[in-house]
Formats: sequence, structure tokens, C-alpha cells
Amino acid sequence: DTGVSQNPRHKITKRGQNVTFRCDPISEHNRLYWYRQTLGQGPEFLTYFQNEAQLEKSRLLSDRFSAERPKGSFSTLEIQRTEQGDSAMYLCASSLTTWTGENTIYFGEGSWLTVV
Amino acid sequence: KQEVTQIPAALSVPEGENLVLNCSFTDSAIYNLQWFRQDPGKGLTSLLLIQSSQREQTSGRLNASLDKSSGRSTLYIAASQPGDSATYLCAVKGPSNTGKLIFGQGTTLQVKP
Repeated sequence: DTGVSQNPRHKITKRGQNVTFRCDPISEHNRLYWYRQTLGQGPEFLTYFQNEAQLEKSRLLSDRFSAERPKGSFSTLEIQRTEQGDSAMYLCASSLTTWTGENTIYFGEGSWLTVV
Repeated sequence: KQEVTQIPAALSVPEGENLVLNCSFTDSAIYNLQWFRQDPGKGLTSLLLIQSSQREQTSGRLNASLDKSSGRSTLYIAASQPGDSATYLCAVKGPSNTGKLIFGQGTTLQVKP
């Protein structure tokens, strides 16, 4: 168990470019989440998957954002036509949910995005 | 709409002091509440998870309580150490077991040697 892995850890991109972040959850975890965090704020929910199904999306997730989790394993978060307001840390997390409830949620180290 | 507030925003204490961090939420219909620790520039580490049916959870020097009816949770840290310096975040989920956590803004703790 190596924890939740996120790549790249840091990304600087020019406004208007597309960026993609990858998250590898803990292997047996069926839920995967994406959050966004700006300096001095708590994380804000973006979306989550249970296995390969995307079950909920925040209104924060505009049409420029898309997330996938093919085969219920790793996930990607793509931001198209980046804007300066997209600059933030993008956090991925995973957990194991069973019929008895949800276990502890584990976060990755985050992917920092700076749009210049 | 659920809102989570943490007071104070920042706290500085001398080493060895016992301290309490506060978290309040506006909608008492929660599924669970979690406390997390975040070091600068890092991800979040889960400290304690309290289910809606529970009143408290303990782990080492940490104790978290939950009072759903009043919409409050406290995180008690005993005998604080400089290594406890970090930002502490509480988050609620609910009313059902969806994937969405609502976070507070955090309390940044500094423990001085």
C-alpha cells in the first residue's frame, strides 16, 4: 500500500492551454474523489466516482473540467482552456465503502496548478 | 446548504498546553464528521472519524467529540508538541453516505518550544 499518488505534483501552464492530472488511488478503494484547494481555504468538492461511475459533480466543475475513471482504477482530471482562476491545488482522495459504511478517506499530496 | 465554520482561524500556544479546536456546522443531518491535519503544501491526513451515532473518538493525545443537536464538534489535543504545528480541518458528510465532504476553513496551530 503506497497511498494515493498524484502526478504531476506541480504544473505551470499558460492561460488557454489544457492540463491533465492523474490520480492513482489505494488499490482496493472503490471511491475516488477530486477536490480543489486555494490558499487559506478548506478543500472544495469537485466530483467523485464509485468504481467507474461518476456519481456526483459540483457546480464548480464547469464545462472546461472533465474527470474520468476508466475501469474503476486510476483517474484523470482534465482542465481545458485554463484560466488564471484555475490556479489551485487539486487534491485526489480515495476510500473503501461497503454496505456497513465508509472507512477512512486518504488524500494524496496534491497537484499544484499555476496558470500564467 | 451545509456550512462549516472553524474558530479560531489561528492559534499559538506554548509547548505542553492542552488545547481545544472548534468546529460548527449549520445542518445537524450529517452522516459523519472527520478531522484532518494538513502540513504546509501537503495533502490531508485523516485524524479521527466520528459516525453520526457516536459521541466521541480518541487516538493517542487526540480526542474528538460530536454534538449533532447543537451542530458542534471539538478536537482536544493534550500536551501539545511543536510537531503538532499544522492546519487542522474539520469536514462533514451528509445526510447520506455520498462522496461529498464539506470542509471548514481550518485552524492553523503553532506550538512554540
